[in-house]
Amino acid sequence: EADIYQTPRYLVIGTGKKITLECSQTMGHDKMYWYQQDPGMELHLIHYSYGVNSTEKGDLSSESTVSRIRTEHFPLTLESARPSHTSQYLCASRRAGTNYEQYFGPGTRLTVT
Amino acid sequence: AQTVTQSQPEMSVQEAETVTLSCTYDTSESDYYLFWYKQPPSRQMILVIRQEAYKQQNATENRFSVNFQKAAKSFSLKISDSQLGDAAMYFCAYSGGSNYKLTFGKGTLLTVNP
Repeated sequence: EADIYQTPRYLVIGTGKKITLECSQTMGHDKMYWYQQDPGMELHLIHYSYGVNSTEKGDLSSESTVSRIRTEHFPLTLESARPSHTSQYLCASRRAGTNYEQYFGPGTRLTVT
Repeated sequence: AQTVTQSQPEMSVQEAETVTLSCTYDTSESDYYLFWYKQPPSRQMILVIRQEAYKQQNATENRFSVNFQKAAKSFSLKISDSQLGDAAMYFCAYSGGSNYKLTFGKGTLLTVNP
């Protein structure tokens, strides 16, 4: 079983609040990813990291930001949450090399009221 | 850029029967990997099966097998003896070249009827 964790699992928060979604993995993976996924829909890559101090924006534009200060930790921050941010956020990690699969966390389901 | 297409938004199968989910992809790479992921309702996404493009033999994992047609750029997933626990969203994904990202299809929602 993959050792990748996300907290909180569920979050309901009011508009304008700052939030940070946590993602940690204990597998020593260099590559980490954040996806946004509406229920039953496709995944949209919003951020990724190749390693410490490396972050890139993904295919879908997002108002969120990420940081990668430690290999195992890849938090996502929304400075001012809005109802349009309501979605599920999935974190994933992967070893270097094209033949390795991504391991996914359980996700954070965010609702902004 | 690589693309992955899943042309079946939804599929259904009777318990104990066989179902095939379709996936096509587009790439100019010769060396790449293909994956099928399963996402059960409100549960974690997990890997079902992986195929290396340089291998002619189709990958199998218990009741799950693929039909990999490299020339046609097709990568279908066959689920035999379907079980209620197979009900999930299934995503096809591609990995190749120096790109560290996986390219996912839009998914196929599989319903298993008792």
